[in-house]
Amino acid sequence: GESVGLHLPTLSVQEGDNSIINCAYSNSASDYFIWYKQESGKGPQFIIDIRSNMDKRQGQRVTVLLNKTVKHLSLQIAATQPGDSAVYFCAERPPGGGADGLTFGKGTHLIIQP
Amino acid sequence: DTEVTQTPKHLVMGMTNKKSLKCEQHMGHRAMYWYKQKAKKPPELMFVYSYEKLSINESVPSRFSPECPNSSLLNLHLHALQPEDSALYLCASSQDPWGAQYYGYTFGSGTRLTVV
Repeated sequence: GESVGLHLPTLSVQEGDNSIINCAYSNSASDYFIWYKQESGKGPQFIIDIRSNMDKRQGQRVTVLLNKTVKHLSLQIAATQPGDSAVYFCAERPPGGGADGLTFGKGTHLIIQP
Repeated sequence: DTEVTQTPKHLVMGMTNKKSLKCEQHMGHRAMYWYKQKAKKPPELMFVYSYEKLSINESVPSRFSPECPNSSLLNLHLHALQPEDSALYLCASSQDPWGAQYYGYTFGSGTRLTVV
């Protein structure tokens, strides 16, 4: 399954399929990007990050792609499992290091169907 | 210890009450943050402390008053809140506020605040 457009709030996929979650970021000077997973009643949980000098980074079952030309991030989750159900946020860090905090994208609610 | 601990987990307060939210981390992180998150919305930055000094206040009303007593603790004092202030308040920390470091920010589970 793939989210259509950049601001779709909900993505529904079959268990076992691959998921692609998209995000548009706002600041072309941001140098660091993070994907977070947030389950109901919990705080955001770090999934994977990528620096602005990279295009792709892979983790366990997850891959993040960065396209600086169009200010676009995507998160690919392979072989989606029921435990992947959550809201996923991308976050960007503006230049200046951690002192500026993170700015979050709108989020996508990923629903896994059996 | 790799966690950010927030207390209380839930808080209900009246509009005339004074209460405090607490946040604690023992990872040696030197930047700490308060975020506010409304339902079905992303977290929004409120305050940033770098080396125990307030470095960012994102135009937050004065009824929210942050405090950083030491490098491990962060408080958010609440007074005369409005019902629209009801939200999930998240604390986070990061390792290096100023350097060109690339470390993930660690979030606590939040305090669910309801103003009645």
